Amino acid sequence: VQLVESGGGLVKPGGSLRLSCTASGFTFRTYRMSWVRQAPGKGLEWVASMSGDSSFINYADSVKGRFTISRDNAKNSLYLQMNSLRVEDTAMYYCGRFDLGQGTMVTVSS
Amino acid sequence: QSVLTQPPSASGTPGQGVTISCSGSSSNIGSDYVYWYQQVPGTAPKLLMYATNQRPSGVPDRFSGSKSGTSASLAISGLRSEDEADYYCAAWDVSRGGSWVFGGGTKLTVL
Repeated sequence: VQLVESGGGLVKPGGSLRLSCTASGFTFRTYRMSWVRQAPGKGLEWVASMSGDSSFINYADSVKGRFTISRDNAKNSLYLQMNSLRVEDTAMYYCGRFDLGQGTMVTVSS
Repeated sequence: QSVLTQPPSASGTPGQGVTISCSGSSSNIGSDYVYWYQQVPGTAPKLLMYATNQRPSGVPDRFSGSKSGTSASLAISGLRSEDEADYYCAAWDVSRGGSWVFGGGTKLTVL
């Protein structure tokens, strides 16, 4: 199993970023996938999840209305569109089923 | 405040055994599998246990997981210095539409 996140970077408050996650080693389309984040020095926090057939989507209250999770099963890829970013969104973002990748860092700062 | 409750710290000497607890509720641990992660500072969390008691390839059998009701445990036998890390438990919570919930983490010190 391999999970590779990308798309992180430095962005100003109010800005946008799109994270990507490419998966391999398992039948991607059959698994619910999630984004989880970890702020510096803090614990793990669930962000969003989407079922394999995209029929189920749910978001943490802290990101609802600002973040959008999506997937492309043909490309074995998961995405997280992040809009209206806040300083408190600064974190390492991981994707996975229950396993997690190496993460991509998002820094929101002016 | 985390949905799953873990002790903030645990410790043991090399060769000893240690157990880390994780307490939840009927909507998470009580109704689904438990997962455990090991995180060495500065690195990504590594999946240590899935489906409550299954070890991914490469995880030594010194690590074992169990669950009873709404609580779970991670047991580590024959402690080694490289086991010093933060340990997190997780479970899928079926309430509020479904979400992952995590423990706050337990820092394991090998004395």
